[in-house]
Amino acid sequence: DAGITQSPRYKITETGRQVTLMCHQTWSHSYMFWYRQDLGHGLRLIYYSAAADITDKGEVPDGYVVSRSKTENFPLTLESATRSQTSVYFCASAENYNEQFFGPGTRLTVL
Amino acid sequence: RKEVEQDPGPFNVPEGATVAFNCTYSNSASQSFFWYRQDCRKEPKLLMSVYSSGNEDGRFTAQLNRASQYISLLIRDSKLSDSATYLCVVRTSYTGTASKLTFGTGTRLQVTL
Repeated sequence: DAGITQSPRYKITETGRQVTLMCHQTWSHSYMFWYRQDLGHGLRLIYYSAAADITDKGEVPDGYVVSRSKTENFPLTLESATRSQTSVYFCASAENYNEQFFGPGTRLTVL
Repeated sequence: RKEVEQDPGPFNVPEGATVAFNCTYSNSASQSFFWYRQDCRKEPKLLMSVYSSGNEDGRFTAQLNRASQYISLLIRDSKLSDSATYLCVVRTSYTGTASKLTFGTGTRLQVTL
């Protein structure tokens, strides 16, 4: 089915470990985004990509790395996880900068 | 001051009631405005865009007041299924960079029997 998927849906890891969250979309949307959602903060943009091989920082990029070698995939890596990175992570895609379509989210807990 | 501010609620209303949410934004250069809906523990989904002239989609009416920098969402004849968190979203373009979407923290609506 067409859409946007994220994996894993739930992840528990330990401080200092590297974690990669996967995002895959089947619409061939140009734009892809990574957000984190925390109580009291709303959705905050971590990184975005306007096309394959083009990425840029959002509001809270520190501690995260992204890549976009293929249009459909946009993985997010936490290089050395910290407790403050415990959050719900949403990937989104869009053909333009108006309507964004969100994936189901990944709940990450860093112990 | 937050770029986008919303009353977190919760707004508890009986079925059939009319309820309104407001959202204020700080950047007068913001260009586009949206309401997203987010169900508990689910992803946000676009509910409607907000146009300068105001727009209606069934029981939902959105309005924009650029002078006072706020947008509103009115829900008529509330249904149990309207229970959700409503996110106010503002798009702003910046010179030399891509547009930025800023999300409010959301207003929670609980519709009861």
